[in-house]
Amino acid sequence: GAVVSQHPSRVICKSGTSVKIECRSLDFQATTMFWYRQFPKKSLMLMATSNEGSKATYEQGVEKDKFLINHASLTLSTLTVTSAHPEDSSFYICSASTGGGYRGRNEQFFGPGTRLTVL
Amino acid sequence: AQKVTQAQTEISVVEKEDVTLDCVYETRDTTYYLFWYKQPPSGELVFLIRRNSFDEQNEISGRYSWNFQKSTSSFNFTITASQVVDSAVYFCALSEARLRGNAGKSTFGDGTTLTVKP
Repeated sequence: GAVVSQHPSRVICKSGTSVKIECRSLDFQATTMFWYRQFPKKSLMLMATSNEGSKATYEQGVEKDKFLINHASLTLSTLTVTSAHPEDSSFYICSASTGGGYRGRNEQFFGPGTRLTVL
Repeated sequence: AQKVTQAQTEISVVEKEDVTLDCVYETRDTTYYLFWYKQPPSGELVFLIRRNSFDEQNEISGRYSWNFQKSTSSFNFTITASQVVDSAVYFCALSEARLRGNAGKSTFGDGTTLTVKP
């Protein structure tokens, strides 16, 4: 089956620093990648949709300057949390999709998540 | 706008009991996809099932079964003879369906925490 990796799996950083999280589709090309945020005991909240070669589309209330998303290739998307603060501490999950239509089937394959702790 | 409601926040059962997790959704789309995912304590989402809006056939996979009823906008999930390893958070999700181009967005329910006691 399709495999999606995330790196790092855990990161602890000091307030004010920037953190980059990578999301890779290992055995397929992902035309679309999604970034989610999950607070403890809460649901997944979509932050942004990233299509290869174009700017990410952010959900309402998500600061695009705070959460920089780059989808430079069909197998890699990155989320950079800039000037991180304790309130940015969360579990970040990416998913990758082969796209819509009959071939893509709108399936999303999820990465294992990255737990960010900002001190 | 799409919405997914999982009314049961927490369910606790004793091993070998059957348990049903409810999922009700709202969408204006005629074509869409429904999913169930399992999230164990490790955090990684495990895909369980995908169902498109044209296919109302119920499905059984081992101890798992799903009942999709379009008339009531429900997609319920039943675990038969539950086991301790079934303890996890279960999410129901609704996804836009795109006939071409990029994948549609997903909306997740709040999740149901299932605890199966020995």
